[in-house]
Amino acid sequence: EIVLTQSPATLSLSPGERATLSCRASQSVRGYLAWYQQKPGQAPRLLIYDSSNRATGIPARFSGSGSGTDFTLTISSLDPDDFAIYYCQQRSSWPLTFGGGTEVEIK
Amino acid sequence: EAQLLESGGGLVQPGGSLRLSCSASGFTFSNYPMGWVRQAPGKGLEWVSAITADGSSTNYADSVRGRFTISRDNFRNTLFLQMNSLRAEDTAVYYCAKDNPPPGYASSWQFDCWGQGTLVTVSS
Repeated sequence: EIVLTQSPATLSLSPGERATLSCRASQSVRGYLAWYQQKPGQAPRLLIYDSSNRATGIPARFSGSGSGTDFTLTISSLDPDDFAIYYCQQRSSWPLTFGGGTEVEIK
Repeated sequence: EAQLLESGGGLVQPGGSLRLSCSASGFTFSNYPMGWVRQAPGKGLEWVSAITADGSSTNYADSVRGRFTISRDNFRNTLFLQMNSLRAEDTAVYYCAKDNPPPGYASSWQFDCWGQGTLVTVSS
């Protein structure tokens, strides 16, 4: 099973600041990594698929990069609506696995 | 607009069974692989099971293999999760989710539409 480790666990930032979230895989997942956003009481929302492709309707301030074992989700300028928990997920091999999440909180 | 609506959750005793349903609308259900993902209270996301568009192939997390069965009815646009031998650690919100395959691909196993979830509580 591929283990995804997200860091940091919590990121305290102010609106307008840049957020950089990391996801590291225990073995290569090639480019097969997605990012999701989840707010309290809501279902997850797909942001990025296959490492760097924005899903439909996702603002351009969200970008993803990486391949192999190291991936990054960047939010270029935090909007108040962006404070949430972010999860990465690999689809390179079964079982599908999620990272433990990074909470982006208001500083 | 694609929509998914889960039902069937509730309180069940350890060792009991439940069948979750997920009704799909707004897209051609029979064209898309689907999955189930769960989230224990206050915890992260855990993938549970997945099924191809035609239902011919399924996959399961080790934690549920042999106890849970995923299936689908493409005529009724409905996804199912039969859960047997339930344990306290199966307590979670269960989400159904639609795959997002790129053009020309049968699957991508990255989920672009999620239901609102249904809570399963396993307790005596």
